[in-house]
Amino acid sequence: GDSVTQMEGPVTLSEEAFLTINCTYTATGYPSLFWYVQYPGEGLQLLLKATKADDKGSNKGFEATYRKETTSFHLEKGSVQVSDSAVYFCALSEDSGGGADGLTFGKGTHLIIQP
Amino acid sequence: GAGVSQSPRYKVAKRGQDVALRCDPISGHVSLFWYQQALGQGPEFLTYFQNEAQLDKSGLPSDRFFAERPEGSVSTLKIQRTQQEDSAVYLCASRSGWMNTEAFFGQGTRLTVV
Repeated sequence: GDSVTQMEGPVTLSEEAFLTINCTYTATGYPSLFWYVQYPGEGLQLLLKATKADDKGSNKGFEATYRKETTSFHLEKGSVQVSDSAVYFCALSEDSGGGADGLTFGKGTHLIIQP
Repeated sequence: GAGVSQSPRYKVAKRGQDVALRCDPISGHVSLFWYQQALGQGPEFLTYFQNEAQLDKSGLPSDRFFAERPEGSVSTLKIQRTQQEDSAVYLCASRSGWMNTEAFFGQGTRLTVV
């Protein structure tokens, strides 16, 4: 079955540091890939997505590139802020048409940014 | 409302008690999903509705779990004879339909079974 593996946390960085959160996946078909973020006390929010190989998703300074050859979708940001502190989830969906398939999530990476 | 609404936000149940968790999806959204998120884990798929039809319930962990969406809008997840291992956050998500892959999540219901 499908699975998502992401780096264990917590990840603690200083403000303005470079961020990478690794994510690799296993899927039977050609999934769409997502990063969701969960800020303290809030629900899951879509951060960015990519629906096919070599696509780059970007939002709020975060980027991730769909790498089919390495089955990866690593999340990066050039300069993190304290407000980026949250739990980040990598996820996939086999159904790029937005139909029946739910999301398969990784376990989440807790990011802590210190001033 | 503007987003997916879940109620109650918190529920404490005694072991053996039945509980009902409610989800109000975004108006007009065809697809509705329930997920279970254990502490320190990612959400895990429970069940999926397209309008009022429950098309996939493969993730429901036991026959004590039951979900319905009788009019294709509000959904209820019911857990009978709750057990401690049912303690988790239950998330609801809705999606507009075939051409939109973004799922919008509610804030979840935190269920604690004591």
